[in-house]
Amino acid sequence: DGGITQSPKYLFRKEGQNVTLSCEQNLNHDAMYWYRQDPGQGLRLIYYSQIVNDFQKGDIAEGYSVSREKKESFPLTVTSAQKNPTAFYLCASSIDRGSSASGEQFFGPGTRLTVL
Amino acid sequence: RKEVEQDPGPFNVPEGATVAFNCTYSNSASQSFFWYRQDCRKEPKLLMSVYSSGNEDGRFTAQLNRASQYISLLIRDSKLSDSATYLCVGNNAGNMLTFGGGTRLMVKP
Repeated sequence: DGGITQSPKYLFRKEGQNVTLSCEQNLNHDAMYWYRQDPGQGLRLIYYSQIVNDFQKGDIAEGYSVSREKKESFPLTVTSAQKNPTAFYLCASSIDRGSSASGEQFFGPGTRLTVL
Repeated sequence: RKEVEQDPGPFNVPEGATVAFNCTYSNSASQSFFWYRQDCRKEPKLLMSVYSSGNEDGRFTAQLNRASQYISLLIRDSKLSDSATYLCVGNNAGNMLTFGGGTRLMVKP
């Protein structure tokens, strides 16, 4: 089955620790995205990547970092510089960035990060 | 002001009712709009696109009013399974999606 996987589903970390969230897709999509969702709020874009070895900051990139070494993978690192990291993190992909015109982004199941 | 604004609800309706959600947007350069559905603690999924001419898919009808900068979603004959959060989404000039905060719908027996 084609799709996007994120792991782990739940993650607990101590304050001050970096943590990396995994995102893998086998849809052969060029574009990948990371969003953050807080309770009662919409999704906010952290980073996106249109092609391997290239990525761009979204609206709330501070305290986060990403890499895109392979087309299938787009891991997100939440660093200790992120002041309020507890949230629901969603990874998405689309055929290319231009396909956002059709609204077709496919989401992974998400990772709930709790920083204690 | 948020780019895409929605009434968070919740909208509590009985089974079989017709319910309508509105959404307003501030970026007049937004090219296209969509409704996504998000179940509790799950990922969002595309429900339907929104066209100025109106778009109907079974019990769901979406409409775009560019003059007033609002988008609507109408659900007829509500089912228990329609209970979810409905996200209004715009595609801005940079071809990126901007999400509203969502409207929560609860359909009760």
